Amino acid sequence: NAGVTQTPKFRILKIGQSMTLQCTQDMNHNYMYWYRQDPGMGLKLIYYSVGAGITDKGEVPNGYNVSRSTTEDFPLRLELAAPSQTSVYFCASSRQGGNEQFFGPGTRLTVL
Amino acid sequence: DQQVKQNSPSLSVQEGRISILNCDYTNSMFDYFLWYKKYPAEGPTFLISISSIKDKNEDGRFTVFLNKSAKHLSLHIVPSQPGDSAVYFCAASGYGGATNKLIFGTGTLLAVQP
Repeated sequence: NAGVTQTPKFRILKIGQSMTLQCTQDMNHNYMYWYRQDPGMGLKLIYYSVGAGITDKGEVPNGYNVSRSTTEDFPLRLELAAPSQTSVYFCASSRQGGNEQFFGPGTRLTVL
Repeated sequence: DQQVKQNSPSLSVQEGRISILNCDYTNSMFDYFLWYKKYPAEGPTFLISISSIKDKNEDGRFTVFLNKSAKHLSLHIVPSQPGDSAVYFCAASGYGGATNKLIFGTGTLLAVQP
């Protein structure tokens, strides 16, 4: 099993550009999450999903959108990139009823 | 409002000695606590967890202690090894119902000196 995979690993965007961060898991987990980690800070929850077609906001959802059309995929969309979105983004998944989340390797995004 | 706090940004210990990482929380609704380990340029990996109905959980060199009355938990690593050098995050869950949402602390950078 590959676990949780994320693409791309690195990306530089200009202000106002848009992009989609991809996340795929092959563990058949119902629950998926997107976090961002800023320097010296913990991980902050952006959005989460408890199953295909169901998504909800986390602590810091502004400026982002998500969709969940399949169990495996949970893409994160940035529509109008801003410097404040410079961060490292982690996708995670967990089974229903399980507290442990499994994380992907992260995407480092810089907005200039 | 930081609900999960790790007040020590960094910790340095000698190889073979004990490492103690601390975590405090404010929300009494939290009922499950986890420790994650993170190496540079990698995602966090699960290390050990504890339910609020227990006060201790042990897994090899790693032990987590929970003091509910003090809203405090700690991770003990004995003996510490250079490969343990990483950032350790404390996380708590139980506030989001069945969604397994986690609240993370800011992390402690552990450096184990050979």
